[in-house]
Amino acid sequence: EPEVTQTPSHQVTQMGQEVILRCVPISNHLYFYWYRQILGQKVEFLVSFYNNEISEKSEIFDDQFSVERPDGSNFTLKIRSTKLEDSAMYFCASSEEGTGELFFGEGSRLTVL
Amino acid sequence: DQQVKQNSPSLSVQEGRISILNCDYTNSMFDYFLWYKKYPAEGPTFLISISSIKDKNEDGRFTVFLNKSAKHLSLHIVPSQPGDSAVYFCAASEGGDSGGGADGLTFGKGTHLIIQP
Repeated sequence: EPEVTQTPSHQVTQMGQEVILRCVPISNHLYFYWYRQILGQKVEFLVSFYNNEISEKSEIFDDQFSVERPDGSNFTLKIRSTKLEDSAMYFCASSEEGTGELFFGEGSRLTVL
Repeated sequence: DQQVKQNSPSLSVQEGRISILNCDYTNSMFDYFLWYKKYPAEGPTFLISISSIKDKNEDGRFTVFLNKSAKHLSLHIVPSQPGDSAVYFCAASEGGDSGGGADGLTFGKGTHLIIQP
């Protein structure tokens, strides 16, 4: 069964460092998303991406964040200068039709020290 | 500002009985609602959805009910099975189910369902 894969599963970084989280969405999907879940809190929408551009982003997705689809298969989330409060589980998701029936990856846990 | 609220952090149900998970929302622009299930160390998995033009959608053991006037939806699982033990997230979207959009979902905080043998 096709699945969304994410790497790394866990990354520990120092505050102020750049981090890139990688995702390989399901191959025939056209819509891509990043969500995050801070420990003990709800899953929060960050950004959606369609047709090689951002289609929607939340208030969380400020100038420190960027997304890219560099090669037609990977979908990356970059955090330029990490803060302590960026520590969270980051979930990548994709969907075929943008209906909200998203397929999520297993998540990348980011710990900022 | 919690636009999607799941007021029960946890729910314990005996195997074979009905599990009812509740969700309330405040944004009247939401027109598409979904339930996701999440096991530890895994991403959320889509379960079932409902458009605002319907008041019920059924898929096997899972039924979602929508009461638009009360801005309330519920997920019924019957009969409950041990494998149903997980965290259940209610989510909502303004984008509808017409496709072509990529609106982000607004999630509730989740309800941890525990099915007891």
